[in-house]
Amino acid sequence: RKEVEQDPGPFNVPEGATVAFNCTYSNSASQSFFWYRQDCRKEPKLLMSVYSSGNEDGRFTAQLNRASQYISLLIRDSKLSDSATYLCAVGGLTGGGNKLTFGTGTQLKVEL
Amino acid sequence: DAGITQSPRHKVTETGTPVTLRCHQTENHRYMYWYRQDPGHGLRLIHYSYGVKDTDKGEVSDGYSVSRSKTEDFLLTLESATSSQTSVYFCAIKAQGHYGYTFGSGTRLTVV
Repeated sequence: RKEVEQDPGPFNVPEGATVAFNCTYSNSASQSFFWYRQDCRKEPKLLMSVYSSGNEDGRFTAQLNRASQYISLLIRDSKLSDSATYLCAVGGLTGGGNKLTFGTGTQLKVEL
Repeated sequence: DAGITQSPRHKVTETGTPVTLRCHQTENHRYMYWYRQDPGHGLRLIHYSYGVKDTDKGEVSDGYSVSRSKTEDFLLTLESATSSQTSVYFCAIKAQGHYGYTFGSGTRLTVV
């Protein structure tokens, strides 16, 4: 089983739709969680951190479920510009070099 | 933008030749990482550094070595390039504390 798993998609949604991605992780000791956005042929860019209590940034909401070991990303009112690949990243203990393990990404295509 | 640059941006090299990729940061961050990204595998950690002259292996370190003689520079060397090392290589930096990575723009390496 991979340490971090995501549905690769693609998710094709109409503009204005709400879309949700999940990411499961296998290491119950994981302590840090992030969502990244990656555009085609570009570097990943940090979208948001994921906190235990859940957090929101505009149209984006991230949640963590430690019991079931998954994180989620909800995008409301999708825009054409949201089309990208979304990567989840999970990190272990600080003493382990702050390493992050990434999922393979979920591709989102927002259409007119 | 964060002060992290990678060089070269693109490189084509022949099988069996040594190749060195450079990552340079102006943020004075302690942690630096080298990842490769391949279709179907996502981002995989090659090596990382937690300080000058302090480095450790990631999950796909075979055939790669690193050096960090200054805080700002983290070099990745392919000792004898093989076609399986054709990939996009990303360097990342991380600030102390609960922060995600910031990635460089990547190096597209082709081994022929």
